[in-house]
Amino acid sequence: GAVVSQHPSRVICKSGTSVKIECRSLDFQATTMFWYRQFPKKSLMLMATSNEGSKATYEQGVEKDKFLINHASLTLSTLTVTSAHPEDSSFYICSATSGRTDTQYFGPGTRLTVL
Amino acid sequence: GENVEQHPSTLSVQEGDSAVIKCTYSDSASNYFPWYKQELGKRPQLIIDIRSNVGEKKDQRIAVTLNKTAKHFSLHITETQPEDSAVYFCAASGGSYIPTFGRGTSLIVHP
Repeated sequence: GAVVSQHPSRVICKSGTSVKIECRSLDFQATTMFWYRQFPKKSLMLMATSNEGSKATYEQGVEKDKFLINHASLTLSTLTVTSAHPEDSSFYICSATSGRTDTQYFGPGTRLTVL
Repeated sequence: GENVEQHPSTLSVQEGDSAVIKCTYSDSASNYFPWYKQELGKRPQLIIDIRSNVGEKKDQRIAVTLNKTAKHFSLHITETQPEDSAVYFCAASGGSYIPTFGRGTSLIVHP
C-alpha cells in the first residue's frame, strides 16, 4: 500500500523559533498533499492543500505567513511553523493522494510542543 | 461547501455487540466516502470506503452503507473486539478531492 512518512515525529522548541516538518510519499508520486492540525480528542482540521510546483491553498483562518508550505517535488512537502508560540503546540498530520484516486494516505503525525 | 455531521460522538458497547456510526453530508456532488480509524497518538488509517455508484460494501466485520437520496452513510462493525476501540472519522469528497471530515466517534469496546 501507499506509505507516507513524516519527520520529525516529535519536536520541542522554544517560543519564537521556527520548526520545519517534512512529509514524504515513499512509494508513489503525490500530486496533492494536505496538512492538518489536530487538537486532543478533536477532529482533523484542514490547514492547507498543496499541489506540486504551485502555491498552497490555505483554509480560512490559517495564516499563510505563519504556516509556510512548500511542495517542491512529487514526493516531498514541508510545513514550516514560523515564530512558534505555545498556542501552536499541536499534532500536525500530513496526507497525500496520488491523483489517480482520491484515497488519502496519512503520515504518522508530528507532535509539536512550544515552550 | 460540504458539511459532514457524524453521530454519536461517543459509543460504548460490550465485546461481541455491533456498533453503528452514522454520517450525513450536504453536497450532492460528493461521490467518495471513506472511513478512518485513529488510535491514540497515531495516524488515521483507512478501513473502508465507498463510492456513490455503490450502495453497500463489506470487508469481514466492517460494512458501509450509502443512501445517496438521503445523503447519509453509515459504518457497521459486527462482533466488536477490544482492539476496535479507537476514534472513527467519516469523510466526504467530490471532484476537488478535498475531503470534509466528520467530528469523529470515540468507540469504546468493553471486554
